[in-house]
Amino acid sequence: DTAVSQTPKYLVTQMGNDKSIKCEQNLGHDTMYWYKQDSKKFLKIMFSYNNKELIINETVPNRFSPKSPDKAHLNLHINSLELGDSAVYFCASSQDLGRNMNTEAFFGQGTRLTVV
Amino acid sequence: AQSVAQPEDQVNVAEGNPLTVKCTYSVSGNPYLFWYVQYPNRGLQFLLKYITGDNLVKGSYGFEAEFNKSQTSFHLKKPSALVSDSALYFCAVRALDSSYKLIFGSGTRLLVRP
Repeated sequence: DTAVSQTPKYLVTQMGNDKSIKCEQNLGHDTMYWYKQDSKKFLKIMFSYNNKELIINETVPNRFSPKSPDKAHLNLHINSLELGDSAVYFCASSQDLGRNMNTEAFFGQGTRLTVV
Repeated sequence: AQSVAQPEDQVNVAEGNPLTVKCTYSVSGNPYLFWYVQYPNRGLQFLLKYITGDNLVKGSYGFEAEFNKSQTSFHLKKPSALVSDSALYFCAVRALDSSYKLIFGSGTRLLVRP
């Protein structure tokens, strides 16, 4: 069983389109994240949710909207896609960090988004 | 603000030789440090983490890391490298503000030649 799964793995789309990436974790974790990895492999957090509540929203354009229907799912919807949105997007999860700061995060396999 | 630095973009080592991938950190309190590995076209896999009191941390796949408070370092090591260890390695630190986010270094590509 995959602990953190993302779909789709690859996504090629045209500028201006709207797309969604789905993420699910079966680890029973309370916290989920979206990270963006650019072409230089830099990893930067975008959003974090704890028990379905948004706790981090880094300076991400409001075209990006996360949605957490329950604590096992965190989806990422992107409106009006731009060329610069091309990247690999990683979903991750971890236990409640308020109780245990040294808990590790588990990552999905990533979604490679290419905007043409 | 917390940060980590990985000063080497790439490390080259021959198979069977020891390897070190460097990481230094900057935090205002107790550091919560992690190493992850990323194989091509894969997600990040957790290798090991620093737990207070254990300066030498052992992790997956024979990797270990040495925490040095005076040098603010958390270098990743392995006594004998394998070709299959070739991958991208990330050091990370937990933010100590209410976000608790993981802050990643820029990554170091490890190339182990046969």
